[in-house]
Amino acid sequence: TQLLEQSPQFLSIQEGENLTVYCNSSSVFSSLQWYRQEPGEGPVLLVTVVTGGEVKKLKRLTFQFGDARKDSSLHITAAQPGDTGLYLCAGANTDKLIFGTGTRLQVFP
Amino acid sequence: DTGVSQNPRHKITKRGQNVTFRCDPISEHNRLYWYRQTLGQGPEFLTYFQNEAQLEKSRLLSDRFSAERPKGSFSTLEIQRTEQGDSAMYLCASSLFGLGGELFFGEGSRLTVL
Repeated sequence: TQLLEQSPQFLSIQEGENLTVYCNSSSVFSSLQWYRQEPGEGPVLLVTVVTGGEVKKLKRLTFQFGDARKDSSLHITAAQPGDTGLYLCAGANTDKLIFGTGTRLQVFP
Repeated sequence: DTGVSQNPRHKITKRGQNVTFRCDPISEHNRLYWYRQTLGQGPEFLTYFQNEAQLEKSRLLSDRFSAERPKGSFSTLEIQRTEQGDSAMYLCASSLFGLGGELFFGEGSRLTVL
């Protein structure tokens, strides 16, 4: 069974702080995606990384795919209350996505 | 077309009853996925369709669960003889491309089994 473990599970920070969320697996994935989910809604795609070592930036969010394509990280600079939500990594396996365990982020003003 | 639509949004039922959820995907998407999510956890894969063909089912999908996509458009997920452990959010997603493509999720159907 492929597992994607995310850490930390919960993160509660003040506006303006930086944070990093980690996504780790013992399996290799052909690509990895990050989604954000807000209460009462479905997950929404933030980014897809495909190449080992790839780094993508989306405004204050920086995503990195590990060289071996087994792990990934999401770094948020100067977090804002609007960043609050459940962050999910998801690895592509055959024709489906396997989701990580999730990191719930709360950013206080 | 405004996205993936799921109904009902909420369903409360007594243990032992049958429930059915419906998903209407984005119209041009040929792939449709069902996931189950419990509070604060990541979605767990249940099954997926390409057009009307059900291509994979998770071990999580017991015999009480059945999914169909009869004409390759909308899909239904039926749970027979519900148990309290079935309480969860059932998410439907569709995509245009296969592996690595973006999944577009509906808002989910929340099931509470009393």
